[in-house]
Order: sequence, then structure tokens, then C-alpha cells
Amino acid sequence: QKEVEQDPGPLSVPEGAIVSLNCTYSNSAFQYFMWYRQYSRKGPELLMYTYSSGNKEDGRFTAQVDKSSKYISLFIRDSQPSDSATYLCAMSAPGAQKLVFGQGTRLTINP
Amino acid sequence: DAGITQSPRHKVTETGTPVTLRCHQTENHRYMYWYRQDPGHGLRLIHYSYGVKDTDKGEVSDGYSVSRSKTEDFLLTLESATSSQTSVYFCAISEFGGGAGEEQFFGPGTRLTVL
Repeated sequence: QKEVEQDPGPLSVPEGAIVSLNCTYSNSAFQYFMWYRQYSRKGPELLMYTYSSGNKEDGRFTAQVDKSSKYISLFIRDSQPSDSATYLCAMSAPGAQKLVFGQGTRLTINP
Repeated sequence: DAGITQSPRHKVTETGTPVTLRCHQTENHRYMYWYRQDPGHGLRLIHYSYGVKDTDKGEVSDGYSVSRSKTEDFLLTLESATSSQTSVYFCAISEFGGGAGEEQFFGPGTRLTVL
């Protein structure tokens, strides 16, 4: 079983919808949680970063971490066609030299 | 944008031939990573480097070797390319590794096709 599980989708929603993307993980040592966004034929770029449990909001994006359930989420409000991309969760433990990535969810926002 | 370049950007090669991909950075970051990305598998770590001449294996290292003789360059070699190594390869860099949730910066990728 993978350390980090993410539903690969694809996920297709209409413009303006609220989108929920999720990852589960098995390593209780993970403390740092990230979401990367990857546009087609580009490298991933960091979108959101959260340390330990709680919520973090940045504009239309909200990242949530529930360490008791080993579950993280990314919410996109008022989704736009420009949000169409692959979203990858990533996480790491203190002292780690690398990140562990989920499989990525391919999201399409339809005008 | 972080100064990361990958070369070549596209390559088509034949089974059994050696292939070398290059990652070059201008950020003087300590850590460099090679990933491959395939549908349904996300990003999988091949090898990484935590300093000049210091490298370690990732989860899918079989059939690959790496070298880092200078801070700015990290080479990935497919010793004898196979069709299963057809993929998109990404290089990434970070200053302190993943232990403090630090961001990794990714290059533009190399599309490799092994016939």
C-alpha cells in the first residue's frame, strides 16, 4: 500500500462549483502538507502549504489537515477554467530529505 | 521562476541504448531530485542528491544511475533504456530538503520515448 493515496480522477465540474480534492496517508510522522498544481506539459508548482493540523486559506483556496484521520483536503471555491490542472498532494516528516507525493488528481473546470 | 533547466526537452531513443538527461540549476540549492511521472502513478522519486557526490536511491531506482560532480548539475543516466522507461522526467531542487516542509522547485520536464 502506498504511503499517500490520492484519487486520480479525472474530475470534471462546471465553472463556479466548489471543488474538493483529498489525500489519505499512513505515516503518522508526517507534519508538513503541501498541494502542488501542475498545468499541462509544465512542472508542478507549490500552491498551498500547511504545518500539522488545521486550516489555511488563500483567496479561493483552502487547505485542511486532519491528522487524527490522516486525511488532507484542498477546497477550491468559485472554480474557474484557469483552475484546470493536475493537483498533487505532498507531505514530509521532520528531518526528511524528500517529499512523498500522491498520484495527482486531474481537474477540469468547464465554462 | 527558479533557475532550473533540463536538457534535452524531448528525446526518442531505441531499446538498449544509454541515455543521459541533464538538470542544471542557478540557485545554488543543496538538494536535487529526479522524478518520473506516469499516468496513474503521479511523481515517483528515482534518485536524489544532498550534495556534490552525495546521492541516494528513491523508490524506482532500478535501471537508473546519477552523478553530481558540481553543485549546479545533476545527471540521470539510463544505462540501457527499455520501453518501460518511456516517461516524463522532472528535476527538482530545494535548499534544505523536505524536512521542514520546504518547497521543491521543478524544472520543465523531459519527455523520453524508448522505442
